[in-house]
Amino acid sequence: ELKVEQNPLFLSMQEGKNYTIYCNYSTTSDRLYWYRQDPGKSLESLFVLLSNGAVKQEGRLMASLDTKARLSTLHITAAVHDLSATYFCAVGGETSGSRLTFGEGTQLTVNP
Amino acid sequence: ETGVTQSPTHLIKTRGQQVTLRCSSQSGHNTVSWYQQALGQGPQFIFQYYREEENGRGNFPPRFSGLQFPNYSSELNVNALELDDSALYLCASSSVTGSSYNEQFFGPGTRLTVL
Repeated sequence: ELKVEQNPLFLSMQEGKNYTIYCNYSTTSDRLYWYRQDPGKSLESLFVLLSNGAVKQEGRLMASLDTKARLSTLHITAAVHDLSATYFCAVGGETSGSRLTFGEGTQLTVNP
Repeated sequence: ETGVTQSPTHLIKTRGQQVTLRCSSQSGHNTVSWYQQALGQGPQFIFQYYREEENGRGNFPPRFSGLQFPNYSSELNVNALELDDSALYLCASSSVTGSSYNEQFFGPGTRLTVL
């Protein structure tokens, strides 16, 4: 059974600081996704990582994937309050249908 | 291009009742997946529909059932509601190209409260 673990689960940081969220998964997978969720809202797709060594950046967020270590990271650079949300990683496979297995989420709070 | 839509937005039911949630997939998508997200947790896969048939199921009892229609829209039915069924129900659509499944796009969700 595929398991996905995120850490930390809760993260409080000051504006302007950098931090990394980690996502470990237990079995080989083709694809890793990062989503953002605001309170009471649905999931917003941030990144899709398809291969070992993949790195994608959008604004202050950068995601990377190491399939050998079964690890993905979401790095936050110079955090701003607008980044406050819950971030989920999810693992799926091209051949596993569209079934995604999600981590527990990291609740990020950026304080002024 | 129309995104994934779900109805209703919110729903309140009592224990033992039945509920039907609806989802319209994004234009061009032929696969629909349903997820349950309890408060403070990550979404859990319920099942997926492709070509109007169930094509993969998570660890949910048979009282969770679904349908997919020829226009690729979908329903999630839950019978004999329990308090623990209170959650945000998310629908996601994607397309299948050959044997490859493409990225899923999520709808706004239906918030179900069981009293």
